[in-house]
Amino acid sequence: GAGVSQSPSNKVTEKGKDVELRCDPISGHTALYWYRQSLGQGLEFLIYFQGNSAPDKSGLPSDRFSAERTGGSVSTLTIQRTQQEDSAVYLCASSLVSRAGFGDTQYFGPGTRLTVL
Amino acid sequence: QKEVEQNSGPLSVPEGAIASLNCTYSDRGSQSFFWYRQYSGKSPELIMFIYSNGDKEDGRFTAQLNKASQYVSLLIRDSQPSDSATYLCAVITGGGNKLTFGTGTQLKVEL
Repeated sequence: GAGVSQSPSNKVTEKGKDVELRCDPISGHTALYWYRQSLGQGLEFLIYFQGNSAPDKSGLPSDRFSAERTGGSVSTLTIQRTQQEDSAVYLCASSLVSRAGFGDTQYFGPGTRLTVL
Repeated sequence: QKEVEQNSGPLSVPEGAIASLNCTYSDRGSQSFFWYRQYSGKSPELIMFIYSNGDKEDGRFTAQLNKASQYVSLLIRDSQPSDSATYLCAVITGGGNKLTFGTGTQLKVEL
């Protein structure tokens, strides 16, 4: 079946512009996660959705970052006034269910490579 | 201390050998452990997960978990050049839902 899809695959933007990254999870997966991977850094958690609510936003690095999820499906990560340090690969993952402390298997999308000039 | 630690490598093994990848974690309450493989320029793909102490085998892969030592490992038997990738250890920490990743171990399987 279809996996997690993300768009665009690549995004080049100028410093100060806003960008929107989209994630379409696996059908039926109620939990959705955003991570980012910077050159030389590991994967870092940004935000987690259960349905349309975000019980854990602890990884968002600043108030320039926001995310929403509608209809329990598609999610959009928005970065306002982009900075060069925002350049990274932004990865979305989804899982069937998410039990606190236990964690169901998360399946990753192909990622969006963001370059801020 | 990092929450999840891995040796960055590279770990080089000859084709057909056993590759042993190790990971330690700091949150003693962690219950879910995952190994992902990531090829250069690609996103992580799940290899195995393990929840209980002991060994779990799936084909050429064996995950080992020792909660008392806060240690999880991945063994790859009969290593193939196609196994050359970065292996990421990931742990559900803090009683939540997010994965905390190690920085990954680069594995090189040489002909």
